[in-house]
Amino acid sequence: EADIYQTPRYLVIGTGKKITLECSQTMGHDKMYWYQQDPGMELHLIHYSYGVNSTEKGDLSSESTVSRIRTEHFPLTLESARPSHTSQYLCASSEAGYSNQPQHFGDGTRLSIL
Amino acid sequence: AQKITQTQPGMFVQEKEAVTLDCTYDTSDPSYGLFWYKQPSSGEMIFLIYQGSYDQQNATEGRYSLNFQKARKSANLVISASQLGDSAMYFCAMREVNYGQNFVFGPGTRLSVLP
Repeated sequence: EADIYQTPRYLVIGTGKKITLECSQTMGHDKMYWYQQDPGMELHLIHYSYGVNSTEKGDLSSESTVSRIRTEHFPLTLESARPSHTSQYLCASSEAGYSNQPQHFGDGTRLSIL
Repeated sequence: AQKITQTQPGMFVQEKEAVTLDCTYDTSDPSYGLFWYKQPSSGEMIFLIYQGSYDQQNATEGRYSLNFQKARKSANLVISASQLGDSAMYFCAMREVNYGQNFVFGPGTRLSVLP
């Protein structure tokens, strides 16, 4: 049973629209992540957060922004969607600091910009 | 520099046979963890198995085992008795204790199990 939830699961929307992808977790994890992944390809870290009011850019430059006002919530926003933003977006969380526990992933949002 | 290498973009295996998926890694941190994930076509990431750098024994979880060769910096995933449902992308990942602590993923291997 998933403890990290992403909505929507699928989104098809026109160019220029503002989009917010939702991610929530119930495990109390301090660290959260957003990855971008094209079908069958590797994951690219685009944003992460160490906790409330902390956000950092990942290895792949992204036009998206994130916020972390509550521990459990880590939404990703695209102010003006473009076809190049078409991809799958995966949210994940993990314990802060190092542990042998894996990241927990949501089911992902498949985004298509027309 | 690429920290995780998975040299097999695609692999085929006959149902009920065993298969090994390769993973090599690069780190100067003496403390790290290695993780394998499975991603079916539906897109979710499923955690399979973990190996710590100081673990003396190879990790096992059901049909999954990790062939950990620390000196060679390899952490190959072995799936025994393959099933059709094992067809998926498989990602190797590493988390360093002292350097950033973010998870670093390899490019993945697509496994196809043939009936």
